[in-house]
Amino acid sequence: QKEVEQDPGPLSVPEGAIVSLNCTYSNSAFQYFMWYRQYSRKGPELLMYTYSSGNKEDGRFTAQVDKSSKYISLFIRDSQPSDSATYLCAMKEDTGRRALTFGSGTRLQVQP
Amino acid sequence: ETGVTQTPRHLVMGMTNKKSLKCEQHLGHNAMYWYKQSAKKPLELMFVYSLEERVENNSVPSRFSPECPNSSHLFLHLHTLQPEDSALYLCASSQGAKNSPLHFGNGTRLTVT
Repeated sequence: QKEVEQDPGPLSVPEGAIVSLNCTYSNSAFQYFMWYRQYSRKGPELLMYTYSSGNKEDGRFTAQVDKSSKYISLFIRDSQPSDSATYLCAMKEDTGRRALTFGSGTRLQVQP
Repeated sequence: ETGVTQTPRHLVMGMTNKKSLKCEQHLGHNAMYWYKQSAKKPLELMFVYSLEERVENNSVPSRFSPECPNSSHLFLHLHTLQPEDSALYLCASSQGAKNSPLHFGNGTRLTVT
């Protein structure tokens, strides 16, 4: 079983839709949760960064962490064609190691 | 323009060649990383340097050899690679605390023939 599971997609939605992207994980020691966006032929860029459980909102993006269910989500409101990219979740234990554990990414296509 | 610059963007090499990937960060960070990204697989951490000292090494084959001469530059030296080493190699940097987020470069697309 992978440590982090993420549906690869592609997920295709019309412009203006609400998008829900999710990851599940098995390691209960994960405390830091991140979402990265990766455009084609580019490196990942950090979108959201949260610690432990709860919600965090930034513009059209909302990140949710439910540690009891080992489940994290990224919601995108009023999706735009420019949101078309691969979204990677990443997680980290609160230890001395710097390594992140990534999901394999979900490819999102927003149709105009 | 990203604060982490990687060169070359694309590299094709034979299995007997020796080549190097270069990464430079302009963010004043003190930790640098090499990740491997293969199709439909999660990013795999290869090496971590903190203050020019290698602090993590994820059982990477010896045909990959990292070098960090200072906190702004990171190299990955490649020799006698295999076709399965073809992938996108991403460099990243972070600042300060071990829980600081990573900033990635745009990667080097490596093809081993």
